Amino acid sequence: QKEVEQNSGPLSVPEGAIASLNCTYSDRGSQSFFWYRQYSGKSPELIMFIYSNGDKEDGRFTAQLNKASQYVSLLIRDSQPSDSATYLCAVNERGRRALTFGSGTRLQVQP
Amino acid sequence: SQTIHQWPATLVQPVGSPLSLECTVEGTSNPNLYWYRQAAGRGLQLLFYSVGIGQISSEVPQNLSASRPQDRQFILSSKKLLLSDSGFYLCAWSDRTGGLETQYFGPGTRLLVL
Repeated sequence: QKEVEQNSGPLSVPEGAIASLNCTYSDRGSQSFFWYRQYSGKSPELIMFIYSNGDKEDGRFTAQLNKASQYVSLLIRDSQPSDSATYLCAVNERGRRALTFGSGTRLQVQP
Repeated sequence: SQTIHQWPATLVQPVGSPLSLECTVEGTSNPNLYWYRQAAGRGLQLLFYSVGIGQISSEVPQNLSASRPQDRQFILSSKKLLLSDSGFYLCAWSDRTGGLETQYFGPGTRLLVL
């Protein structure tokens, strides 16, 4: 079973700071990468995806992908208390239809 | 726009009882459908996925089964629940736009087996 690893946290940042969430994956053939946000007791919601090396920006969120290092990250600028949630990294491994999920990083944004 | 429904939202069942969870998708046709389970404080475990009516692939051997009787309906079942079946059950559908499998989740069913 291929693996997707995330630090479980909690990652605590002050309001207005940049939160940096990291994810590593073991399958070098992985093709696309997703970040989901999951509030306590709720289902995951898609934030963004990335499939090319480099950065992809969407509002306050930036996804970064480095396939050579098998590393994907999510930056949240101007963090707000409403960003407090668990962030799940997911990977679409080559030859596999379903996504492989990490166990998530819990983010706490302190007012 | 596409929507995905799951019911019931919560369920408390005794050990040994049967289970049926339902998932339906609106606004799309021929989606890939998935069942995941999330244990408390854990990541998502893929249970089943389906690429079409009657086509089910199982990821993990267990006492659960899945069926897809209609294009946009996916059912998760068990004949006899175990304590270890407790968890948050999530149905998801995927959009193959541009060759990218992007998964969207339903609201989930929280199951407690006593």
